[in-house]
Amino acid sequence: DPKIIQKPKYLVAVTGSEKILICEQYLGHNAMYWYRQSAKKPLEFMFSYSYQKLMDNQTASSRFQPQSSKKNHLDLQITALKPDDSATYFCASSQDGWGVQDTQYFGPGTRLLVL
Amino acid sequence: GEQVEQLPSSLIVQEGASVLINCSYTDSASVYFPWYKQEPGKRLQFIIDIRSNMERKQTQRLTLLFDKKTKHLSLHITATQPGDSAIYFCSASMNYNQGKLIFGQGTKLSIKP
Repeated sequence: DPKIIQKPKYLVAVTGSEKILICEQYLGHNAMYWYRQSAKKPLEFMFSYSYQKLMDNQTASSRFQPQSSKKNHLDLQITALKPDDSATYFCASSQDGWGVQDTQYFGPGTRLLVL
Repeated sequence: GEQVEQLPSSLIVQEGASVLINCSYTDSASVYFPWYKQEPGKRLQFIIDIRSNMERKQTQRLTLLFDKKTKHLSLHITATQPGDSAIYFCSASMNYNQGKLIFGQGTKLSIKP
């Protein structure tokens, strides 16, 4: 029952190009997140949004920009792609980002390969 | 910053056996510890959580123990089934970071039928 949708499932990109990863949640949640999982590192927090406002940004690079056009959307734009960006990107959501004890539910991920 | 470590990194057991997955964290400010299961190619699935004011939580075949003094958690799975084969992740969240989860590197559990 996919209440959190991520598109596309797979993505192949050329070094230097730009891609947008889509995330939509239909759980009625107010907080959304992005995480990254690569072969080299465990699941790594990237961003958190609550009520469409950025709460926390742990990415060192400005090449990663979240975009929230609606409360239940949090897309991730990645510019100037590098091979090191190859990873699976997971979107997650929780009822309220202010509450640290909210359960986060994850989407199926977008697997990005940068050649 | 907070670091979460899991041991072992992988585990192979016979169906029906019990398993124990250990997790430790470094920052005493962490107060919430959800665990997730990830089957190959699938999303992370929430399985159990515990808060720092608890010592034990049980749901069906899962028991989660928490020791605040030693900053250690352990997940006990009983009567394992082939469907339990997955990577299990421990995570920690602090009380000021607006929901950010810090994950361990995962424990790959394989159940032999």
